[in-house]
Amino acid sequence: SAVISQKPSRDICQRGTSLTIQCQVDSQVTMMFWYRQQPGQSLTLIATANQGSEATYESGFVIDKFPISRPNLTFSTLTVSNMSPEDSSIYLCSARRTSEQETQYFGPGTRLLVL
Amino acid sequence: AQSVTQPDIHITVSEGASLELRCNYSYGATPYLFWYVQSPGQGLQLLLKYFSGDTLVQGIKGFEAEFKRSQSSFNLRKPSVHWSDAAEYFCAVGLSNFGNEKLTFGTGTRLTIIP
Repeated sequence: SAVISQKPSRDICQRGTSLTIQCQVDSQVTMMFWYRQQPGQSLTLIATANQGSEATYESGFVIDKFPISRPNLTFSTLTVSNMSPEDSSIYLCSARRTSEQETQYFGPGTRLLVL
Repeated sequence: AQSVTQPDIHITVSEGASLELRCNYSYGATPYLFWYVQSPGQGLQLLLKYFSGDTLVQGIKGFEAEFKRSQSSFNLRKPSVHWSDAAEYFCAVGLSNFGNEKLTFGTGTRLTIIP
């Protein structure tokens, strides 16, 4: 399995501010994804992070609110912009290795609380 | 669009008892199927996956799952649960569409183990 780390593991932020979450994978992967897990809910895909090009966003998520970067094959960032209490969630990064068909491995998540 | 249903929101079993968590999917073809586990405060860990072939798949921690095409089900089983199995369990369906791969998650089943 791929080893995926995320920073920060948790944060408490004030409304109106922005937070950037980092995701690092231990080996080269083809696909990286960002998910949101709202309190007591399941996971919802925010976007697919594409290397060297703009991320592909799911319905209901926009680049202005969740800008994503992926400068190389093993690293991606998600920024939660202009935060409100409704953004309080767990944000998870996942990745798929080239050698493993369709399997996504997940990072430990970033627990965000917006006051 | 594909969907995943986990009909049991919360299940309580005694330690040592057998376990079955239900998962039904809706998809026009045979999807890729996964079970993940999320322990409190943790990210998601892959338990097992099904792509094709033998419909009974073995996973980590003594779990297994059986794909039943006729019932559109992929139920997770364990013959004897341990207190450490207490967690949230998510069934997921993978869709590969010209390389734009996505996972759709069920709403999760929370497992409580009693002594």
